[in-house]
Amino acid sequence: QKEVEQDPGPLSVPEGAIVSLNCTYSNSAFQYFMWYRQYSRKGPELLMYTYSSGNKEDGRFTAQVDKSSKYISLFIRDSQPSDSATYLCAMSPLTGGGNKLTFGTGTQLKVEL
Amino acid sequence: DAGITQSPRHKVTETGTPVTLRCHQTENHRYMYWYRQDPGHGLRLIHYSYGVKDTDKGEVSDGYSVSRSKTEDFLLTLESATSSQTSVYFCAISGRDGKSMNTEAFFGQGTRLTVV
Repeated sequence: QKEVEQDPGPLSVPEGAIVSLNCTYSNSAFQYFMWYRQYSRKGPELLMYTYSSGNKEDGRFTAQVDKSSKYISLFIRDSQPSDSATYLCAMSPLTGGGNKLTFGTGTQLKVEL
Repeated sequence: DAGITQSPRHKVTETGTPVTLRCHQTENHRYMYWYRQDPGHGLRLIHYSYGVKDTDKGEVSDGYSVSRSKTEDFLLTLESATSSQTSVYFCAISGRDGKSMNTEAFFGQGTRLTVV
């Protein structure tokens, strides 16, 4: 079993919909959680970065962490065609040695006009 | 791009030849990483560096070596390329201003390597 599980999709939604993307994990040592957006043939772009449990909001994006369930979510409100991309969750334990991330395999999202 | 440049961006090489990929940063981040991205596996850590001449292995390090002689540059070498090393390689950086604890990690644009 992988340490981080993520549904690969593809997920197709109409423009304006609320999108929910999720990851589950098994390593209880994970403390830092990130969401990356990756457009085709581009590098991952950091969207959200959270520490421990709780919610964090940035514009149309909300990241949610539930450590008791080992479950993290990314919500996208008022989705736009430009949100069409692959979304990667990533996480790491608390460490003084940098940030060695463990990634999910990514969820492909398509927002249709 | 958070000041990260990878070179080359694309390369085709023959089995058995050595290949070196370069990552250059202008952000003075302490940590540098090499990941590979493959369908069904996501991004996996190959090697990382926590300072000049300080490197360590990641999850999938067999067949790869790295060097970091300057803060700005992190080189990934495939000693003798194999078809299983056909992949997209990403460099990442973290630890702005020399910070050692978990900080945001930023990625380069990737190098698409094909071994024939």
